[in-house]
Amino acid sequence: EEQLLESGGGLVQPGGSLRLSCAVSGFTSETFSMTWVRQAPGKGLEWVSTLSSSDGNTYYADSVKGRFTISRDTSKNTLFLDMNILRDEDTAIYYCAKEEPYYSHNKAYYPGYFALWGRGTLLVVSS
Amino acid sequence: SYDLSQPHSVSVSPGQTASIYCSGEKLGDRYVCWYRQKPGQSPVVVIYQDEKRPSGIPERFSGSNSGNTATLTITVTQVEDEADYYCQAWDSGTAVFGGGTRLTVL
Repeated sequence: EEQLLESGGGLVQPGGSLRLSCAVSGFTSETFSMTWVRQAPGKGLEWVSTLSSSDGNTYYADSVKGRFTISRDTSKNTLFLDMNILRDEDTAIYYCAKEEPYYSHNKAYYPGYFALWGRGTLLVVSS
Repeated sequence: SYDLSQPHSVSVSPGQTASIYCSGEKLGDRYVCWYRQKPGQSPVVVIYQDEKRPSGIPERFSGSNSGNTATLTITVTQVEDEADYYCQAWDSGTAVFGGGTRLTVL
């Protein structure tokens, strides 16, 4: 069974740093693009970052660009999100998601859709 | 930046049809997917590539996308369908979510 399990959330002071992890099981993460999405308390979904499997490139929301870094350890089949210079507004549940490609005429296209989500890990940035 | 707009809330009676709209400039030129999120749970994709249903999602869920509007339709709505629904599309490597629609079944 395919599963994603996030960890690493917690309480951090503004300006601090933290690393989130997403342990992948049931499939090889490097085969798929992987994404972090967050949700502030009582708010909607906000895309944070994607690590593309097709070109290895990384993509970031403007709100986190320059502060967050997405990466993966293929030997551990784990996705990471390194977060620096944290702000109050970074407080959210952080979900990792597996991206499946769209198919057209039997050809796979990225970016696709978020087919599998983890349970999320809560980050609270507060003094 | 690209924006997707959804109504904040939609109400429907059990057994009736619910339609949730998502609007964006030339949205029909992009693929749209829909996610359902129940309280305290992670999102789940219910429609992808405008109209495709993942395995395990009931046939009463359907989607369409044309012009500036994508539509999620739930026929014979069940009480268990009560949730927040988000549309999503891509814009230049950035995933864009709509603000979400709270579907109330009463």
